[in-house]
Amino acid sequence: TQLLEQSPQFLSIQEGENLTVYCNSSSVFSSLQWYRQEPGEGPVLLVTVVTGGEVKKLKRLTFQFGDARKDSSLHITAAQPGDTGLYLCAGVRSGGYNKLIFGAGTRLAVHP
Amino acid sequence: DTEVTQTPKHLVMGMTNKKSLKCEQHMGHRAMYWYKQKAKKPPELMFVYSYEKLSINESVPSRFSPECPNSSLLNLHLHALQPEDSALYLCASSQDGQGGELFFGEGSRLTVL
Repeated sequence: TQLLEQSPQFLSIQEGENLTVYCNSSSVFSSLQWYRQEPGEGPVLLVTVVTGGEVKKLKRLTFQFGDARKDSSLHITAAQPGDTGLYLCAGVRSGGYNKLIFGAGTRLAVHP
Repeated sequence: DTEVTQTPKHLVMGMTNKKSLKCEQHMGHRAMYWYKQKAKKPPELMFVYSYEKLSINESVPSRFSPECPNSSLLNLHLHALQPEDSALYLCASSQDGQGGELFFGEGSRLTVL
């Protein structure tokens, strides 16, 4: 079982639709990061959230960190074909751990 | 443009070959990482160097041998690989080795015949 569970695994939508991707755990994380990876390239960091309840916006992307710091969500408004890619959440567990743990990823396809 | 540079971008090698993957960063980061990524899977951590010392080895087979000549460079020496080692090998760096934000290179696509 993954320490960080992402859902859905796959998402295929039309341009202009809204979507939400979830990243859940039973463990508490000191921080969570979201990356986007396009085919043939390395992941690119989108955002880091560190405070429970924190909300960060990046243009049409809204990231939220759960109050208990066990979960996070990524909401995309009016998706564009350029949003297509693999979205990965990754986190550092609280309690002295220093290893970044990745979720399995959500593969998003936005069709024109 | 990524600030972590990996070479080569593509590598095809036989099971008896010896080759190396190289990674370079000039952001002053003190931690560097090797990840392995199979198709449609997330990156899997292989090694972490922190302040030029190997701090994490995720039980990687000895046919993969990392080397950190200085704080800007990271190599991965490959010898006697198996076809199942074919994957995208990603290098990343972070400010320190405490699980902070990672900056990834574009990866080296390795095919083992």
